Amino acid sequence: AQKITQTQPGMFVQEKEAVTLDCTYDTSDPSYGLFWYKQPSSGEMIFLIYQGSYDQQNATEGRYSLNFQKARKSANLVISASQLGDSAMYFCAIPNNAGNMLTFGGGTRLMVKP
Amino acid sequence: NAGVTQTPKFRILKIGQSMTLQCAQDMNHNYMYWYRQDPGMGLKLIYYSVGAGITDKGEVPNGYNVSRSTTEDFPLRLELAAPSQTSVYFCASTSQRGLSDTQYFGPGTRLTVL
Repeated sequence: AQKITQTQPGMFVQEKEAVTLDCTYDTSDPSYGLFWYKQPSSGEMIFLIYQGSYDQQNATEGRYSLNFQKARKSANLVISASQLGDSAMYFCAIPNNAGNMLTFGGGTRLMVKP
Repeated sequence: NAGVTQTPKFRILKIGQSMTLQCAQDMNHNYMYWYRQDPGMGLKLIYYSVGAGITDKGEVPNGYNVSRSTTEDFPLRLELAAPSQTSVYFCASTSQRGLSDTQYFGPGTRLTVL
């Protein structure tokens, strides 16, 4: 079974600074991927970024980047130049090999201070 | 495109009542999913469907039923509601079932069982 751990229940960051949200995973699948989703206070789940274990370079999407370290089984989300609108819950998730479910971590609540 | 839509947004049920949570998508996605999110937690898969007429159980299916008569709609039925079913319910869909295929989520239904 796959397992995802997010060890930071809550974090503060100053506006305009960068922040790293941790995610470690455990899977026996030889190929796998890792998603990050954002959940603002309004409740919807917003896809941010994805990277596959076979990708050579770390994924980037605008201010979001993934720091994927397979040897450590970690896939941390880096948000550069934090904005007030980045205040939200952030979840990492890993799909199973059958592609029929995502296993989610417990989430990290990020609070951006003005 | 409206994407994934869910109704109702909020609902309060009494113990033992039944209800159907509606989910629809207009992206012609074959794969659809129901997740629940308990307070302060990540999402867990209840049921999923790989196409019209085909459904299967996820991680936490007890107390729920689904059907999929069309590609667009994937309703979730709660029979004999219990306080343990108080949660936020998310419907999601994806076009393919590969590791990198993003699941797109609806806005959620917040259900309280008293």
